[in-house]
Amino acid sequence: DGGITQSPKYLFRKEGQNVTLSCEQNLNHDAMYWYRQDPGQGLRLIYYSQIVNDFQKGDIAEGYSVSREKKESFPLTVTSAQKNPTAFYLCASRPPRQGWYNEQFFGPGTRLTVL
Amino acid sequence: AQKITQTQPGMFVQEKEAVTLDCTYDTSDQSYGLFWYKQPSSGEMIFLIYQGSYDEQNATEGRYSLNFQKARKSANLVISASQLGDSAMYFCAMREGNGYSTLTFGKGTMLLVSP
Repeated sequence: DGGITQSPKYLFRKEGQNVTLSCEQNLNHDAMYWYRQDPGQGLRLIYYSQIVNDFQKGDIAEGYSVSREKKESFPLTVTSAQKNPTAFYLCASRPPRQGWYNEQFFGPGTRLTVL
Repeated sequence: AQKITQTQPGMFVQEKEAVTLDCTYDTSDQSYGLFWYKQPSSGEMIFLIYQGSYDEQNATEGRYSLNFQKARKSANLVISASQLGDSAMYFCAMREGNGYSTLTFGKGTMLLVSP
């Protein structure tokens, strides 16, 4: 089955530790995205990548880093510089077809709790 | 200024009734797209419906329709014949500029459907 996988579903880390969230897709999508969601809030864009080996900062990139070495994978590292990392993290991808009607497909999310 | 505003933090509706979830947007672009997503308690984001700024007719997808009023910059989601499974968070989102630009999300509306 084609889709987006994020692992793990729940992640606990101690304060001050870096942690990497996995995002893999087998949809052959070029563009991939990382969002952060806080309770009762909408999604905020952290980083996105339109093609392999290229990525851009979103609205709240501080304290995060990404890589895009393969089309299928877009891991997000939450560094110790992120002051409040506890949140729900969603990964998304988008098909390569042009045009406006081009929705993003989302993974199931990872809930990160920093103790 | 917020680009997407959802003024209803929560809405209640009885099963089988229709409900309208409000969304207003702010953009100076002529070309843009509006999206609605559903987020059940499991956390995944499910695409529901899309409306392009140049579309002359309101979008419809099954029980979902979009009441698009361009002059008022509103794109309200109408769910007809509500079902218990419709209970979820609903997010309005917008893409501006070219077709490859990113999505901006509103803060969402929690819909509860009662028997």
